[in-house]
Amino acid sequence: EAGVAQSPRYKIIEKRQSVAFWCNPISGHATLYWYQQILGQGPKLLIQFQNNGVVDDSQLPKDRFSAERLKGVDSTLKIQPAKLEDSAVYLCASSLGSGFREAFFGQGTRLTVV
Amino acid sequence: AQTVTQSQPEMSVQEAETVTLSCTYDTSESDYYLFWYKQPPSRQMILVIRQEAYKQQNATENRFSVNFQKAAKSFSLKISDSQLGDAAMYFCAYRFTGNQFYFGTGTSLTVIP
Repeated sequence: EAGVAQSPRYKIIEKRQSVAFWCNPISGHATLYWYQQILGQGPKLLIQFQNNGVVDDSQLPKDRFSAERLKGVDSTLKIQPAKLEDSAVYLCASSLGSGFREAFFGQGTRLTVV
Repeated sequence: AQTVTQSQPEMSVQEAETVTLSCTYDTSESDYYLFWYKQPPSRQMILVIRQEAYKQQNATENRFSVNFQKAAKSFSLKISDSQLGDAAMYFCAYRFTGNQFYFGTGTSLTVIP
């Protein structure tokens, strides 16, 4: 069974530029999460989807971050414009459903904003 | 609010020895899940072990076991017969049904040959 796929693995951009990350969850997984992990900290939820609907985006900085999940499968997370403090690892995870126990994570995208 | 606290930023253990990583959490829920995830340098979070709060029996997965104290809201991870491949960041996580995972700040484990 293929795992959660994310791309790119690394991205370096200048502040005020835009960037997009892509995630392909495990086939059949209805729930998809985007987490931000700043160096030295634990992951923090940005947004949670159930199929193509948003369950929780309370911690998503909506003035610059946006996310979508088309057709309830792949998802894209965008930052526009980027700030220095957005430098972090962006992790995508999926689970069979919101009521299921564990989530499976991708390898993440390391973003550096200079 | 749900919070997860890992008070040990770094731990080290001799190969083949046993180490215990600590985790406490705060919640008003009665039914929830607790997890330990391992994050090697590759960055991929890998599930090590999980515990359902309604189960009194401590979970065990091969060399990994937990000490779950629900009343004390404590969830520690014991790694027996430590191996070099166990070196990684370990994150404690909490989740109640249908919602997000809350992570601690992590413990960096070094295994000394």
